[in-house]
Amino acid sequence: EAGVAQSPRYKIIEKRQSVAFWCNPISGHATLYWYQQILGQGPKLLIQFQNNGVVDDSQLPKDRFSAERLKGVDSTLKIQPAKLEDSAVYLCASSLWGGGTNTEAFFGQGTRLTVV
Amino acid sequence: DAKTTQPNSMESNEEEPVHLPCNHSTISGTDYIHWYRQLPSQGPEYVIHGLTSNVNNRMASLAIAEDRKSSTLILHRATLRDAAVYYCILRGRNTGGFKTIFGAGTRLFVKA
Repeated sequence: EAGVAQSPRYKIIEKRQSVAFWCNPISGHATLYWYQQILGQGPKLLIQFQNNGVVDDSQLPKDRFSAERLKGVDSTLKIQPAKLEDSAVYLCASSLWGGGTNTEAFFGQGTRLTVV
Repeated sequence: DAKTTQPNSMESNEEEPVHLPCNHSTISGTDYIHWYRQLPSQGPEYVIHGLTSNVNNRMASLAIAEDRKSSTLILHRATLRDAAVYYCILRGRNTGGFKTIFGAGTRLFVKA
């Protein structure tokens, strides 16, 4: 079974530039998450999708971050414009919608963003 | 969101058992207790989860206190490959699935 795919693996941009990350979840997984992980900290949830609808984006800095999940499969996370403090690893995860039965989340390897 | 508290780091000798504690005093009745671990330069990977009863799988065991306010991840024989950050997470259901909120985790060091 293929895992969660993310690209690119690494990205270096200058502050005020724009950047986009792509995620392809495991086939059939209805729930998709984007996390931001700053060095030395645990992952912080940015946004959660159920199919193509947003379930929780309470911690997404909406003035500069946006995310979409068209057709309920792939997802993109965009930062525009980037700030130095956005330097982090951006993780995508997916899980089945078990209709109430708890299931594990599967994570991609992440995209390491460096803003200079 | 319910929070978890874990020690910042722990150390173990290779081949010995490791008990990683987690406190979650504000857990709700529907929250599942999940453990994930993160190896260097990798995304987190699932280890084990439970609701009320103790659980065993090929990777580890999970012991859950009767009042569910704490739990312990048990690695029966630590190996060097078990050196990672271990996250105890309460996975609560929201309208669109299960919300997974991470804390700071416990960094496990394994000595040869």
